Amino acid sequence: KAGVTQTPRYLIKTRGQQVTLSCSPISGHRSVSWYQQTPGQGLQFLFEYFSETQRNKGNFPGRFSGRQFSNSRSEMNVSTLELGDSALYLCASREGQGNGYTFGSGTRLTVV
Amino acid sequence: QKEVEQNSGPLSVPEGAIASLNCTYSDRVSQSFFWYRQYSGKSPELIMSIYSNGDKEDGRFTAQLNKASQYVSLLIRDSQPSDSATYLCAVNQPGNTGKLIFGQGTTLQVKP
Repeated sequence: KAGVTQTPRYLIKTRGQQVTLSCSPISGHRSVSWYQQTPGQGLQFLFEYFSETQRNKGNFPGRFSGRQFSNSRSEMNVSTLELGDSALYLCASREGQGNGYTFGSGTRLTVV
Repeated sequence: QKEVEQNSGPLSVPEGAIASLNCTYSDRVSQSFFWYRQYSGKSPELIMSIYSNGDKEDGRFTAQLNKASQYVSLLIRDSQPSDSATYLCAVNQPGNTGKLIFGQGTTLQVKP
């Protein structure tokens, strides 16, 4: 089985711009979560989707949004980028409730 | 008090020794616990999951869970230099949720 695929791998954006990150989960996995990882804050939960519904949202401003499509693929969007949004954004999927998540390779976003 | 706490290390052990990594969590009703390994510049990789009190062994890895004391640990036997990485403890937030709460991670250095 192919793993969790995230695109793009690297992204450089300017403050004020917006960005969309994409994630394709492992085939058959319907639960997809997004995390932000920074050296200072570690791994912080952004949101979780299951069957196209957002089940959970972390403590991030409304500039961060996401969605899940009927094929379980997911996207997250960050609008009005700030320098502090520079981070590694990780997508993860899992087969069922209680199972561990498998992470993708991540998208490294740099905001300049 | 942080929800999931780990000693940041670094924990340094000689090759062939047992490495012991510890994690405490604050929410008494947590049900699912995971250990992830993250190499520098890579994404987290799931290495162990544990759901009930006691020990769970997988190769050189043993996860231990004590819900009464609210701690979970990971033992790595016959440590190898390739085990040098950051080990992240993650706890599933209780309820019908896929939210994982991560500790800050413990850096393990295995010296040849």
